Amino acid sequence: EAQVTQNPRYLITVTGKKLTVTCSQNMNHEYMSWYRQDPGLGLRQIYYSMNVEVTDKGDVPEGYKVSRKEKRNFPLILESPSPNQTSLYFCASSFSLAGDTDTQYFGPGTRLTVL
Amino acid sequence: ILNVEQSPQSLHVQEGDSTNFTCSFPSSNFYALHWYRWETAKSPEALFVMTLNGDEKKKGRISATLNTKEGYSYLYIKGSQPEDSATYLCACASGGSYIPTFGRGTSLIVHP
Repeated sequence: EAQVTQNPRYLITVTGKKLTVTCSQNMNHEYMSWYRQDPGLGLRQIYYSMNVEVTDKGDVPEGYKVSRKEKRNFPLILESPSPNQTSLYFCASSFSLAGDTDTQYFGPGTRLTVL
Repeated sequence: ILNVEQSPQSLHVQEGDSTNFTCSFPSSNFYALHWYRWETAKSPEALFVMTLNGDEKKKGRISATLNTKEGYSYLYIKGSQPEDSATYLCACASGGSYIPTFGRGTSLIVHP
């Protein structure tokens, strides 16, 4: 089954404790992206990756890191989480950014609470 | 940051009503416009992608149109059903960037 998986689905942590949210897709997609969703603000892009070893900042990258060492995986790293990073996070992927083929498939979401 | 605006922010309709929402975006250097449907406690799912001015797409009772010259897209739902209740998101790549930017969504609630 074609899918995007994220882990963990729920996480409660404390300020400053490094964490990683994993994202994996099995569709051989080139483009992957991380979003955060906050009430009233919609989906805001954190980082994206056009292909292996190619990553770039989105609209709200502060406090986050990513890596793309393999095509299927795109982990989101919070080196020192703070309460303002409490949010719902989505990973998404698409085959490319070439018009009709660039519809994004979303993971199930990770709800993060930073105390 | 690309300015993608959706209106209205929320909408309550009765079962059987037809409804429509708007997505507005910068018309210069347009590339693609996407509509997604996002049900509560689930992930956004793609409805349509449109790339050409005048495009019209249809899936069941849901259809969408695109006007790239004036920078807007309409999503129509004919004969709304309670299961249509969801947030409808549009995402646009334009202004010289291929990276799609999401609007804040329109929340639709269909009352039985």
